[in-house]
Amino acid sequence: EVQLVESGGGLVQPGRSLRLSCSASGFTFGDCAMSWVRQAPGKGLEWVSFIRTKAYGGTPEYAASVKGRFITSRDDSKSIAYLQMNSLKTEDTAVYFCTRVLTGIDAFDIWGQGTMVTVSS
Amino acid sequence: DIQMTQSPSTLSASVGDRVTITCRASQNIRSLLAWYQQKPGKAPKLLISEASSLESGVPSRFSGSGSGTEFTLTISSLQPDDFASYYCQQYKSFWTFGQGTKVQFK
Repeated sequence: EVQLVESGGGLVQPGRSLRLSCSASGFTFGDCAMSWVRQAPGKGLEWVSFIRTKAYGGTPEYAASVKGRFITSRDDSKSIAYLQMNSLKTEDTAVYFCTRVLTGIDAFDIWGQGTMVTVSS
Repeated sequence: DIQMTQSPSTLSASVGDRVTITCRASQNIRSLLAWYQQKPGKAPKLLISEASSLESGVPSRFSGSGSGTEFTLTISSLQPDDFASYYCQQYKSFWTFGQGTKVQFK
């Protein structure tokens, strides 16, 4: 079964850091670009970050709202994608979803269940 | 940045109704548009990509149309399982979602 499972969410104070993990199974992780999307409580969806496959350099892209604070990476040997979140702000409070980018189409075809991040003092 | 504007924000309908949701892009995105369905507490589910290509397993009552800047998602006969929120998403230049449309019981 194709599956993504996020972990690492929780309550964190403003200014602190948190690292999310996304464990993939059921498909060849290294062949797929990955992305993170977040959803603040009661709000819509916001794209956060993207990471290319190693074949395309493994380079990341970020939304303006998180650029310079968040770092996305991947470990193809473990089939895990990461989102390192630094200098967290209260407005980063959201459910964070890991997604697979559909090869050749660029829509998000597989989503994890999400992990909640609450930034509060 | 490409902005996506969905309408309406909320739609009240009954089982069996034909439902149409509109999505407008701030610039030409060709057919690089997807539609997602999200139920409360769940992850979004990809319904349609390339503006009109139905994902495997998605009921044929769902259809998408449009290109350029104007797009629509149509549910031909609303079923109880379809009461949910729907989001459009452009993927021509990174990714941007519309603000969502909640389909609720009339």
